[in-house]
Amino acid sequence: DAKTTQPPSMDCAEGRAANLPCNHSTISGNEYVYWYRQIHSQGPQYIIHGLKNNETNEMASLIITEDRKSSTLILPHATLRDTAVYYCIVRAPIIQGAQKLVFGQGTRLTINP
Amino acid sequence: DGGITQSPKYLFRKEGQNVTLSCEQNLNHDAMYWYRQDPGQGLRLIYYSQIVNDFQKGDIAEGYSVSREKKESFPLTVTSAQKNPTAFYLCASSIVTGMYNEQFFGPGTRLTVL
Repeated sequence: DAKTTQPPSMDCAEGRAANLPCNHSTISGNEYVYWYRQIHSQGPQYIIHGLKNNETNEMASLIITEDRKSSTLILPHATLRDTAVYYCIVRAPIIQGAQKLVFGQGTRLTINP
Repeated sequence: DGGITQSPKYLFRKEGQNVTLSCEQNLNHDAMYWYRQDPGQGLRLIYYSQIVNDFQKGDIAEGYSVSREKKESFPLTVTSAQKNPTAFYLCASSIVTGMYNEQFFGPGTRLTVL
C-alpha cells in the first residue's frame, strides 16, 4: 500500500472550512484514498473515501487531484467537536477478505473558538 | 443498538502477568482486528481474523495471542513476553465482501503495566 504524508498539526477557527492535505505520490491506479479521524482517547471513525472523483457526504468532502498524487479533506464548517487526529490512508480494494489499514501519525487538527 | 464493546476501559496489571482484553461486536461482521496505539503515534495492527476459528498475525504480533471461537468475540491476551505492553488497545470489525468496507472501532482499552 502507498505511503502518505500529512502535516503533523493544523489549526482552524470555528465556523471556517478546515482543509487537511495529504500527499500520496506513489499511489497506484487501483488504490483508494480513505480518511478516518480519532477524537482523543476514542476509537477512529471512518469519514470518507474516494478513487479519483471528488466525493462528498454529510461529514466532509474529499478532493483528489487529477494525477491522484495528493488529496484534501474539507470540513466545510468546522466545530469544536471536529478537534481530532485525522488519518489519510491509501490502500487497494480487496474484493473478499479482511481490510487491513495502515495508519500513519495523521494530522492533529485543533478547532479554535 | 449495534456496535463494538471493549472492556474494561482502563486496566492495570503487574509486570509478568498475562492479561486478556475483551472485544465483542453485534454487527454481524466476519472480520475483526486488534490494534495497538502508543502516545502520539498511529495504530499498528497486532492480529486480525477473517472468519471464526481463523486468525493471522499483523505487524506486531510478538507477545500477543488471540482466539476466535465465536463470530461476535475476538479476545486479545497480552502475555508476559510482550516487552512493553503499556498502550491503548483498539478492536475493530468489518464485513469481508465488497471492495472498500470501512472498519468500525470500539472505544478502546488503556492498559497500564506497573
